[in-house]
Amino acid sequence: DAGVTQSPTHLIKTRGQHVTLRCSPISGHKSVSWYQQVLGQGPQFIFQYYEKEERGRGNFPDRFSARQFPNYSSELNVNALLLGDSALYLCASSLSQGRGSPLHFGNGTRLTVT
Amino acid sequence: AQSVAQPEDQVNVAEGNPLTVKCTYSVSGNPYLFWYVQYPNRGLQFLLKYITGDNLVKGSYGFEAEFNKSQTSFHLKKPSALVSDSALYFCAVRDDGYSNYQLIWGAGTKLIIKP
Repeated sequence: DAGVTQSPTHLIKTRGQHVTLRCSPISGHKSVSWYQQVLGQGPQFIFQYYEKEERGRGNFPDRFSARQFPNYSSELNVNALLLGDSALYLCASSLSQGRGSPLHFGNGTRLTVT
Repeated sequence: AQSVAQPEDQVNVAEGNPLTVKCTYSVSGNPYLFWYVQYPNRGLQFLLKYITGDNLVKGSYGFEAEFNKSQTSFHLKKPSALVSDSALYFCAVRDDGYSNYQLIWGAGTKLIIKP
């Protein structure tokens, strides 16, 4: 089975622009989470979606938004990009939203804001 | 508040020796604990988890972790290290008393296995 796939793998944007990152979960997984990982730090939770509904939101500004589609794929949108948004953005899927359900991560999208 | 601490930024071990990567946590309810590994320019891979039951949990690639409730620790161990184990290791926790399902992550420990 294919793992979690993310696109694009790398992206360079300038300040003020908008970006859309995409994620396809493992087949059968209904929960998708997004994380931001800044170099040298652990991942920071951005959003969780389950069955197309937002189930959790981390401490990120409203410039960050996401959605989950009927096929359970997901998009993360970031508006008005700042230099500090430069990071590895990770998408993870899980079979359920249960607390014991492990996350399966994609390889991430490396976003560079100049 | 929930938190996870990985007190060592880097751990150096000779190949063939046992390794330990430390993790301590703080939660209000019962913890759900996880270890993940990250190789350069890759996402995180799940290694093992503790939810309930035996304090010694076995996972992928020969890794195991010991849950200690009194010390609020969940240290990752392997009896004999391989050079290929060199990577970044993250401990994470969910709190069953917390409504948000998000994982709280440690800052990571870089494990270097020397031949």
